[in-house]
Amino acid sequence: GIQVEQSPPDLILQEGANSTLRCNFSDSVNNLQWFHQNPWGQLINLFYIPSGTKQNGRLSATTVATERYSLLYISSSQTTDSGVYFCAVEVTGRRALTFGSGTRLQVQP
Amino acid sequence: GAVVSQHPSWVICKSGTSVKIECRSLDFQATTMFWYRQFPKQSLMLMATSNEGSKATYEQGVEKDKFLINHASLTLSTLTVTSAHPEDSSFYICSALAGDYGYTFGSGTRLTVV
Repeated sequence: GIQVEQSPPDLILQEGANSTLRCNFSDSVNNLQWFHQNPWGQLINLFYIPSGTKQNGRLSATTVATERYSLLYISSSQTTDSGVYFCAVEVTGRRALTFGSGTRLQVQP
Repeated sequence: GAVVSQHPSWVICKSGTSVKIECRSLDFQATTMFWYRQFPKQSLMLMATSNEGSKATYEQGVEKDKFLINHASLTLSTLTVTSAHPEDSSFYICSALAGDYGYTFGSGTRLTVV
């Protein structure tokens, strides 16, 4: 099956810092989404981005499908950005998402 | 739009009993829903795909007789953990594909079997 690798696995930032999270995938995908899982387990859909670039406030994402990677940028980080960020992909020809292992982000005041 | 409601949020049950978890699409119809399981500090793993009006499709290694899935309407799928044991304790979360919104997820159910 498809491999979805995220880096770094853990990240500690000071409030106000910027960061880039990476997601590599091993096969063609129809869909790619970025999620933030808060401490209560809720998955917040950040971006639905099978290709191209999108921005939403302090967050932006870029997917280069031909090179099989996606990047999530977080600017001016806040303590509320803490949690786990997951990249998930839908493989061509198969419904359902396959999740990466996640990046655990801690933003310190 | 594209809200998935999941209940209960948490449940504690005795070993050997059964627990039912509900997943509802509130403002869209979902012919297909998905059930995931997440152990502490791990990623989400797909357990099964629930299809309205037909049998669910289970991933390899998931016991279909233990995890009963029913998708009787276009807005409701249920997961029943039968004869639960402590090793079934986990975070269960459902999902549905909601058009342009992509996959949207319920808030999850934390199951503890004692």
